[in-house]
Amino acid sequence: QQQVKQSPQSLIVQKGGISIINCAYENTAFDYFPWYQQFPGKGPALLIAIRPDVSEKKEGRFTISFNKSAKQFSLHIMDSQPGDSATYFCAASEGGSEKLVFGKGMKLTVNP
Amino acid sequence: KAGVTQTPRYLIKTRGQQVTLSCSPISGHRSVSWYQQTPGQGLQFLFEYFSETQRNKGNFPGRFSGRQFSNSRSEMNVSTLELGDSALYLCASSPSGFNYGYTFGSGTRLTVV
Repeated sequence: QQQVKQSPQSLIVQKGGISIINCAYENTAFDYFPWYQQFPGKGPALLIAIRPDVSEKKEGRFTISFNKSAKQFSLHIMDSQPGDSATYFCAASEGGSEKLVFGKGMKLTVNP
Repeated sequence: KAGVTQTPRYLIKTRGQQVTLSCSPISGHRSVSWYQQTPGQGLQFLFEYFSETQRNKGNFPGRFSGRQFSNSRSEMNVSTLELGDSALYLCASSPSGFNYGYTFGSGTRLTVV
């Protein structure tokens, strides 16, 4: 049973464009929603995270939007750059647990 | 500040053998978690240790085990290796034991032949 569903599986955007990745979850006990970025040969790196008491969080070019009633959250990458080309994972955990449930990932390609 | 260090980076083992992977967390981090990453299943949680105690365990068979030492370094062991165990094994550490954001290592690539 996949508790966090991520879409699309892949995305190609032009430099300067907006990349949007969506995730949906089932477990209403989830209370921490991070996004990770992974480059080939490296481990995932934390990009940005949100908790359900806020609907949006912005850090630089990265914004998380959170819709608690719909059980959905999304990552927006503004002014996408070729260096953003990587695989992005959404994840969720509950009750302060270190156990993260990850989405399947989305491979982003930003063309110059 | 040194990151999370995993050794070895690459490993090739034969089916039926056992393997031990090592993880040195960031200095001061007391929680260490392990994940298996495969193309088909993605990132799956194996287990988490905090102050030498296993606090969480994922849905993996008993062939997968781990431990944490008093200096927070951790090892995971896989016995009776199967071809399906071929994966990237990732270790992550965090300071407090509550999820305020892991730092992952670069992983150990295990190939079972």
